[in-house]
Amino acid sequence: QKEVEQNSGPLSVPEGAIASLNCTYSDRGSQSFFWYRQYSGKSPELIMFIYSNGDKEDGRFTAQLNKASQYVSLLIRDSQPSDSATYLCAVWWNTDKLIFGTGTRLQVFP
Amino acid sequence: KAGVTQTPRYLIKTRGQQVTLSCSPISGHRSVSWYQQTPGQGLQFLFEYFSETQRNKGNFPGRFSGRQFSNSRSEMNVSTLELGDSALYLCASSLVNGRSTDTQYFGPGTRLTVL
Repeated sequence: QKEVEQNSGPLSVPEGAIASLNCTYSDRGSQSFFWYRQYSGKSPELIMFIYSNGDKEDGRFTAQLNKASQYVSLLIRDSQPSDSATYLCAVWWNTDKLIFGTGTRLQVFP
Repeated sequence: KAGVTQTPRYLIKTRGQQVTLSCSPISGHRSVSWYQQTPGQGLQFLFEYFSETQRNKGNFPGRFSGRQFSNSRSEMNVSTLELGDSALYLCASSLVNGRSTDTQYFGPGTRLTVL
């Protein structure tokens, strides 16, 4: 089992729709979770982080964490073509490392 | 505040050579982590430095090494380059010491091509 798993996609959604990106992790002791966005040819940029179970909202983005199910997700409301990118889930591991998933490619079409 | 800077941005080397990459963290950040990103493996952790000490290390061969200076700037070195070392090398800085409540901010990366 991979440490942090994401569906590679592409996930295609129409403009204005909600994009739902999912991530599962295998370390039950993980405490911190991050979502990064990476445009093609660019470096990852932080979208948001979440530490507690439940939802955390920041503008059009909502992160959802369920530690019991070892599941974290990112919802993007009112998706725009500019949201088209690869979204990386990162989990702080018990070995003091940030472990990344391989990312989900999101395509938002007009 | 200036972001993380990395030099050079692009590098072409041949097999067997060695290379040194440089990273300057965000002002005030003391932790620097290095990652290798390839299409097949994604982002993989190389090592992390804090206060000039390597605090953590990933599963890479000894050809990959690094160091951190007193001003928090960091360098990584790859010796005896192999074709498989072709990748985007990313540096990330964080405020304290790379612990779970820290947020890592990435530099633009150095694209290394090994011929």
